[in-house]
Amino acid sequence: DAKTTQPTSMDCAEGRAANLPCNHSTISGNEYVYWYRQIHSQGPQYIIHGLKNNETNEMASLIITEDRKSSTLILPHATLRDTAVYYCIVSANYNQGGKLIFGQGTELSVKP
Amino acid sequence: NAGVTQTPKFRVLKTGQSMTLLCAQDMNHEYMYWYRQDPGMGLRLIHYSVGEGTTAKGEVPDGYNVSRLKKQNFLLGLESAAPSQTSVYFCASRKTSGGPFSGANVLTFGAGSRLTVL
Repeated sequence: DAKTTQPTSMDCAEGRAANLPCNHSTISGNEYVYWYRQIHSQGPQYIIHGLKNNETNEMASLIITEDRKSSTLILPHATLRDTAVYYCIVSANYNQGGKLIFGQGTELSVKP
Repeated sequence: NAGVTQTPKFRVLKTGQSMTLLCAQDMNHEYMYWYRQDPGMGLRLIHYSVGEGTTAKGEVPDGYNVSRLKKQNFLLGLESAAPSQTSVYFCASRKTSGGPFSGANVLTFGAGSRLTVL
């Protein structure tokens, strides 16, 4: 599975959009981009995933560049409860790859 | 539907003792994973399993053994615990989707098991 690179930490003002970048320059054609977050020592929680099209759900939006070498997770109106570590991982689908490697993630601090 | 359940939640061991962490999932997931997380660090993959009776090494497998005798259970064993194995351990399972490119195979994590080795 391809490796990802994320900034170590970011700050965001409450109510503003949080844009979290991820580089995955060695991504393969069959690999998806997944985002998870971990709130204060809890088990990580799935947020969103995509292949090449932009995706949106009730939690966030995912923008993937046309060359698929990078992506951005957008939390449109960040709240204090969005303070967490956000992980970007890339992985082939279930029947093409088992190993899922998490990097260090980005520690997002949402401030009042 | 309990999801992924880890037992025990907390455990203190002395150096050299052995123990087993149990992960149980009731979602009929094929893949299961064990990660460890040290303070201020990300998740590191210890071992994983792509099906009943199969296991594979992750990034940091040394000092751990695993078994997947039943599809719903994934056991992580420490034969001779060391202080370096003090960590929070997370188990996860992975949904299998209906087709090769549906992409719906997200991880579901347990709440974690906090292990201290003195």
